[in-house]
Amino acid sequence: NAGVTQTPKFRVLKTGQSMTLLCAQDMNHEYMYWYRQDPGMGLRLIHYSVGEGTTAKGEVPDGYNVSRLKKQNFLLGLESAAPSQTSVYFCASSQGIPEAFFGQGTRLTVV
Amino acid sequence: GQQLNQSPQSMFIQEGEDVSMNCTSSSIFNTWLWYKQDPGEGPVLLIALYKAGELTSNGRLTAQFGITRKDSFLNISASIPSDVGIYFCAGTTSGTYKYIFGTGTRLKVLA
Repeated sequence: NAGVTQTPKFRVLKTGQSMTLLCAQDMNHEYMYWYRQDPGMGLRLIHYSVGEGTTAKGEVPDGYNVSRLKKQNFLLGLESAAPSQTSVYFCASSQGIPEAFFGQGTRLTVV
Repeated sequence: GQQLNQSPQSMFIQEGEDVSMNCTSSSIFNTWLWYKQDPGEGPVLLIALYKAGELTSNGRLTAQFGITRKDSFLNISASIPSDVGIYFCAGTTSGTYKYIFGTGTRLKVLA
């Protein structure tokens, strides 16, 4: 049972480049989330989805877009990467309170 | 945006010591959760709390849901080296499916 899988695990981008982070879950969960983790800032919610075809803004959505075309996948896009988007990105899925299951993270560096 | 404040930010303790950490918010939450993140991994749920005043244990861990519903506390008794990691609190509010995470407490245990 893979749980939540994030692709890629590491990536280096140049400023202005675009990329998509993929999150896949095999638990048939309704809810999916994208967080970023920065030192001293904890985990901050970027966007989330409450079901296939739905998306909603979290606390820090600027500069990111998301799509949930299939229930098992949640994509996070950066259209024009900036150094401020250097971070570790975590995807999570949930079938409701209490437990959200997290992937292993994607370490993104924008130079 | 919303975020929960955790203290202390980091702590070094000797193996065998007890640890206390807390989480505060300016908003009321209906559910409080405590997660642990091991190095290089995503967070994993430790304890979930569902009502004000609730005290719940999971092995050497004990957590409490504050009476005001704006705070929560986590205690770890008799710490061991594998307790090393970052501890996050998280809260959810009624009618939403967002997990709002805290800034984290980094714990280091000296053998």
